[in-house]
Order: sequence, then C-alpha cells, then structure tokens
Amino acid sequence: AQKITQTQPGMFVQEKEAVTLDCTYDTSDPSYGLFWYKQPSSGEMIFLIYQGSYDQQNATEGRYSLNFQKARKSANLVISASQLGDSAMYFCAMREPLRNNDMRFGAGTRLTVKP
Amino acid sequence: EPEVTQTPSHQVTQMGQEVILRCVPISNHLYFYWYRQILGQKVEFLVSFYNNEISEKSEIFDDQFSVERPDGSNFTLKIRSTKLEDSAMYFCASSRQVGNQPQHFGDGTRLSIL
Repeated sequence: AQKITQTQPGMFVQEKEAVTLDCTYDTSDPSYGLFWYKQPSSGEMIFLIYQGSYDQQNATEGRYSLNFQKARKSANLVISASQLGDSAMYFCAMREPLRNNDMRFGAGTRLTVKP
Repeated sequence: EPEVTQTPSHQVTQMGQEVILRCVPISNHLYFYWYRQILGQKVEFLVSFYNNEISEKSEIFDDQFSVERPDGSNFTLKIRSTKLEDSAMYFCASSRQVGNQPQHFGDGTRLSIL
C-alpha cells in the first residue's frame, strides 16, 4: 500500500498567486513526521517544511505553509505569492520513527509557474 | 549554512564495474542515508547508517551494495558489479537525530551505466 499519495502529477499557477499541492498519507502510528522537499530541474533535493503529528498548529516557513488535517490524513503544501523560481518537482514524504528511520516519498507534483 | 556534499556529480561506468559514490554529511549529524531516484520516478530509500553500522536497509539494497564510513567525515556507497538498472540519481542525506528531524540531502550523484 502506498504510504504517501500525491494525486497531482502536474500543476500550473500564475505568478504571484497561491497554489496548493496535495498530499495524503497512510499510517497507524501515533508519532510521525511529514516533510516537503523541492527538486528543481538541476536535481538537488531542498527541504522546505516539516509537520509533526503532535503539532497543534500548522507549520509555516516563509511563503510555505502546511495545511495539516490529521483526521483526513492530509498534509497539503501551500505556496503563497508564487514566483517563477518555484517551478520544480515537489515531494511529500513521511517518517514513522517508531518503525524505522527512512523516509517514504510520494510520486511528486511538477509545479509550473506561469509569468 | 552547512550542507551535505556529494562527489562526483556525474559518474559514467561500464556495466559490471565497481563504483564508489562519496558523501560528506553535515559535521554534527549522526545519522546517514542513501536514497536513489530512477529518472522520472520517486525517491527510494536504500540504507540508513548510525554508529558505524547499518541500521536499516530496503529490499533494493542487496548484496551488491555496501556502505562505509572510512574516516570521520566521508560516507560511501559502493556498488560492486553495476547493472544497467542501477542508472539513477543517488542522494546522500544526513540528520542530527532520528525521529521527526528533517534529513538534509546532498545534490546527488547521477550514475549512468553503459
């Protein structure tokens, strides 16, 4: 079974607008962490934002925020005021520290910001 | 800001040859990882390493793979006899702790097997 599901293979957004990238996850563990990474065309993986399962508030990091809905098991990434440099692949990932140390990644969403 | 560095950025190797991918994790990090990403696919976990031994490995990490921390700074992934399907981007990552700490990734090594 897929641990992380990203249902949007590609998304387009107009520059300066906000965009939401979807992520749903599957776990029965009470403790887990959710992460978003950005992968530009150059290939590197850039950590963006983290949400812990026990965190009461949604994580925010500059223009990035995480819409965490625990009951729905979703952790959507919201990028506000999109910039051309935001065009990249975005991966949602989860760790279940009670089970193992690795991160499970979703298939990714390719975001294209249009001028 | 400290970062994970990987060398080389691109490695081209004949099928059947051995290849060693190198990584220098962030200096105060204790946990090290290798992931791979076949072109156009998602990132897949290979192995995690802590206290000079493998702590976990995936089913991908078979006998042809090995990892080593030969000195206090380097962390290497060796593929003993490369196959065409080993062609991928290989990412090294490190984290200070386990649990819900982000893993910081290097820029990756693109491995091309001919």
